[in-house]
Amino acid sequence: DAEITQSPRHKITETGRQVTLACHQTWNHNNMFWYRQDLGHGLRLIHYSYGVQDTNKGEVSDGYSVSRSNTEDLPLTLESAASSQTSVYFCASSDKGLPNTEAFFGQGTRLTVV
Amino acid sequence: EDKVVQSPLSLVVHEGDTVTLNCSYEVTNFRSLLWYKQEKKAPTFLFMLTSSGIEKKSGRLSSILDKKELFSILNITATQTGDSAIYLCAVAPTNAGKSTFGDGTTLTVKP
Repeated sequence: DAEITQSPRHKITETGRQVTLACHQTWNHNNMFWYRQDLGHGLRLIHYSYGVQDTNKGEVSDGYSVSRSNTEDLPLTLESAASSQTSVYFCASSDKGLPNTEAFFGQGTRLTVV
Repeated sequence: EDKVVQSPLSLVVHEGDTVTLNCSYEVTNFRSLLWYKQEKKAPTFLFMLTSSGIEKKSGRLSSILDKKELFSILNITATQTGDSAIYLCAVAPTNAGKSTFGDGTTLTVKP
C-alpha cells in the first residue's frame, strides 16, 4: 500500500545544531508539504514543492530549508536549531493532477530543541 | 492574504450531544474546502466540499458548504468519547496544492 512516512518520530537536539527531518511518500504525488503545529497556531506551512527541483517558501520558512531531488522525498533541514523551533512537524503530499486535492499526512515528528 | 477562521476554538460536551463546528474563509480562487480530524497521530481526512448546498455525510458526521457566505459547518450527532479530537478546516485554491488551514476546534466529549 502507498504511504507517507516521516523519520525520526521523536528527536531531541541542542541549540545551534543542524537537524534534518525525513519525509518519504510512495503515492507518486507531485506536491509535498512541510507544516509545523504548535498550540494556539494550528498548522502552519513551512515549505512546499510542486515537483522535482521545485521548492517554495511557506508562511514560516525562516530557519528552514528543503530540497526535492526526486518525487518521493522532501527532507526538511533546520540550519541552526533554535528553541522556537520546538514543535511537531508534519509532512504531507497530494496529487496535483487530480480534482481531489486531498492531502495525505505523515505521522508527525516531535522535535525538541534544548 | 488567504484566511481560514474556525469557531469555537474549543468545545466540551457530553456523550450524546450534537455539536456544530464552524469554518469561515477568505481565499482567492477557491477550489475546495476540506475537513480533517486529528487525534494523537496525523490528521485523517473527513470530507472535501466543492459545491454549495450539497451535504456530505458519513455516519454521524455531516458537512455542508456555503460558497456565497464563505463558510462551512461540520455536524457531529450523538457524540461519543472517541470523537474527542482537533477538527481542522482547510481551503485549497485552484490549480495548486497549497492549502490554508484554520487553527482548529478542540472537541472534548465527556462520558
